Order: sequence, then structure tokens, then C-alpha cells
Amino acid sequence: NAGVTQTPKFQVLKTGQSMTLQCAQDMNHEYMSWYRQDPGMGLRLIHYSVGAGITDQGEVPNGYNVSRSTTEDFPLRLLSAAPSQTSVYFCASSPGHNYGYTFGSGTRLTVV
Amino acid sequence: DAKTTQPPSMDCAEGRAANLPCNHSTISGNEYVYWYRQIHSQGPQYIIHGLKNNETNEMASLIITEDRKSSTLILPHATLRDTAVYYCIVRVVRGSSNTGKLIFGQGTTLQVKP
Repeated sequence: NAGVTQTPKFQVLKTGQSMTLQCAQDMNHEYMSWYRQDPGMGLRLIHYSVGAGITDQGEVPNGYNVSRSTTEDFPLRLLSAAPSQTSVYFCASSPGHNYGYTFGSGTRLTVV
Repeated sequence: DAKTTQPPSMDCAEGRAANLPCNHSTISGNEYVYWYRQIHSQGPQYIIHGLKNNETNEMASLIITEDRKSSTLILPHATLRDTAVYYCIVRVVRGSSNTGKLIFGQGTTLQVKP
């Protein structure tokens, strides 16, 4: 198993650009989540999903969209990038409600 | 979700047991205690979780008090590679639409010293 794969690993965007951060898992996990981590800070939940076709907002959803059309993929879309979205983004997946989450290695995004 | 309180930092000598405390006095009956750690800038790593019984796995032990209002994560023989931020999280795991939600707090920075 490759685990949780995030692409790209690094990205620089200009203010106002849009992009999609990709997250894929090959473990047939039902639950998936997106987090952001600003420098020197803790992780904040952006969006999460408990299965294909089901998504919900986390702590900081503004400026981000998600969809879950398949079990394997959970892309995060930045609609119009702002410097405040400069952060490290982590995707995670879990088999279900009584299991731990497995995290990806992160995408480091800089918005200039 | 119940809030947790952890000390911001702790030190531990290499080879000794590291005991990391966590208070969760408002925990509900359908909430479990989870522990994760984050080493430097890597993605967090799941360590262990439990409801009311003590739990042990290859990484650590989790001791939950009888009233479930606090818990302790024990790393039995800490090494330099255990230096990390440790997060105690209370999470709903049944009977709620929030079962997929995992909210991180500020955690405890554990420094293992030679």
C-alpha cells in the first residue's frame, strides 16, 4: 500500500489563482480529512468526509471546496488563493469511527 | 467535542519513561481519548486510543482514570526520536454525525534529552 499520497509536495501560487490539492489513498478507508498547519501553529480541520458523496465543514472551511466522488480521492480546491492561505496542508484517512487516522506527508503552499 | 488541557512542554531523560498528562473533564460517554504525535514538520502519527480501559500497544500505554476525566500517555523507554509534539484528542466515535471529526489542540512538546 502506498498509504495517503498528496500531490504536489510544493506549490507557489499568485494571489487570485485557483488550484486543486490532490489526496489519494489505496487503503479503502471511508473517512478522509483535510488540515492546514500554519508555521509554529497546530493543525486546523478544513473539511472532512465519512464516505463517498458525504462531506462536511471543519473549523476553517472558508475559501476551500471539497468533493468526494470516489472512496479513494478527496481533492481540496482553493477557489481564489490569498496570502493568508500560505500553509502546509495535510490529508488524512481512516477506516472508520473507531480507528486512527493515517496522514500524508503534506503539501507546502505559498501564496504570493 | 470535549476540550483537552495539556502542559505546553515537558522534558524527559533518554531511556526513562515519559508520562504525558491530559485533562478532559467534560468528556462524554460516546467520546474516546486519542493520542497522536507530530515529529518536526512531518504529518501527525496515530499512537493509541481508548474508552475507559487501559490500553497498550507497541508504541505506548494509555492510562485513563476511572472517572474518565484525565489520562496519561506513557512512552516506557523514551529515545531521542520520541522528541515531538504530542496531541491528546477527545473524539466522538459512535452515535453522532461528527464521528469523522478529529480536532487538534496545542499539544505538549516533549523534549527527550541525552
